[in-house]
Amino acid sequence: GAGVSQSPSNKVTEKGKDVELRCDPISGHTALYWYRQRLGQGLEFLIYFQGNSAPDKSGLPSDRFSAERTGESVSTLTIQRTQQEDSAVYLCASSRDRGDTQYFGPGTRLTVL
Amino acid sequence: RKEVEQDPGPFNVPEGATVAFNCTYSNSASQSFFWYRQDCRKEPKLLMSVYSSGNEDGRFTAQLNRASQYISLLIRDSKLSDSATYLCVVNRDTGRRALTFGSGTRLQVQP
Repeated sequence: GAGVSQSPSNKVTEKGKDVELRCDPISGHTALYWYRQRLGQGLEFLIYFQGNSAPDKSGLPSDRFSAERTGESVSTLTIQRTQQEDSAVYLCASSRDRGDTQYFGPGTRLTVL
Repeated sequence: RKEVEQDPGPFNVPEGATVAFNCTYSNSASQSFFWYRQDCRKEPKLLMSVYSSGNEDGRFTAQLNRASQYISLLIRDSKLSDSATYLCVVNRDTGRRALTFGSGTRLQVQP
């Protein structure tokens, strides 16, 4: 079956614009995670969805960041009023259940000019 | 203190060398452990799980020391294709955000 897919693969935007990133998890995976990875840095947890439970938003760096997930399918990460420090690769991962192996998508490389 | 700590490296080793990475974790209640591999400008991929008794997969051996709260990854007979960043991952199994990733150790295997 298909793996985790993300779109767009690359996004260049101007400071102050809003962006929306999309993640399609593996079918049947109840858990979905968003991470941010700055150049040369480790993975920074952003938000976690598990089934229909309220998401764990503890990693979101500011109120400019938000994410939604419809049931156990697609998720979107929205960054409002982008800043240059938002430039990073945004990775999505899904797992069959909490704590199981996470499978990552190829990421969206965001560049804020 | 970070939940999961790794030496960032880089570890520069010649082909055929044996190299070992350690990773320490702070939460003694952690339940399960993994090593992921991340190639340059690519997404992380699971390399192997780490079991209490230690486990081996070809040239790769993973070990867990619960008393000292560290896990290790040993790579024997290094290949050029082993060059990557190796991420230590810990499952705290508490709360809802279960997996915690270390920042990674970079390995460069040289001809």
